Amino acid sequence: SQQGEEDPQALSIQEGENATMNCSYKTSINNLQWYRQNSGRGLVHLILIRSNEREKHSGRLRVTLDTSKKSSSLLITASRAADTASYFCATQTGANNLFFGTGTRLTVIP
Amino acid sequence: GAGVSQSPSNKVTEKGKDVELRCDPISGHTALYWYRQSLGQGLEFLIYFQGNSAPDKSGLPSDRFSAERTGGSVSTLTIQRTQQEDSAVYLCAIKPGGGYNEQFFGPGTRLTVL
Repeated sequence: SQQGEEDPQALSIQEGENATMNCSYKTSINNLQWYRQNSGRGLVHLILIRSNEREKHSGRLRVTLDTSKKSSSLLITASRAADTASYFCATQTGANNLFFGTGTRLTVIP
Repeated sequence: GAGVSQSPSNKVTEKGKDVELRCDPISGHTALYWYRQSLGQGLEFLIYFQGNSAPDKSGLPSDRFSAERTGGSVSTLTIQRTQQEDSAVYLCAIKPGGGYNEQFFGPGTRLTVL
């Protein structure tokens, strides 16, 4: 399966702390994307990192990609209670399909 | 998400009944996807449509599942003779044009099969 796997499955931190989530995958990719899901409904795209990029920033988000290890990490700095959600990585290998991981459930305690 | 609506938001049905789920995307998208998400799990790809090409049905779990897209826009996912294991949230997503690789998701339909 090309599906990614996130680690940890669940993470609980205090507001203001940083949260780090990891994603591992199995095949060569064109890009890797991170999505957020609130309350088990629609996903929201957060950030995309291409296979030739190693690090990308967007606001309080920092994503790294190590293609040699087939892994990525998502760092959320200075977390807020509103960051509580599930976070999924998704890999794109061809032109169209995305393969999603199983997600990390993040809880930020006020 | 902005630009993709799904209906109904919730559907409760009895085992053995057929259900039809609808996805209404913004115009101008290049591809439309259906995913299934069981409770506490990741997303499982079901099917995608792109342009006038034949849809990629490789993710459909059984022949009870089918989907169509009319006029290159609205899509319906049909599940015949529903089973309890079909209970899940069904998500529709689109890829907009302009070379974007991100997908934009609808709010999903939560299907419960009793």
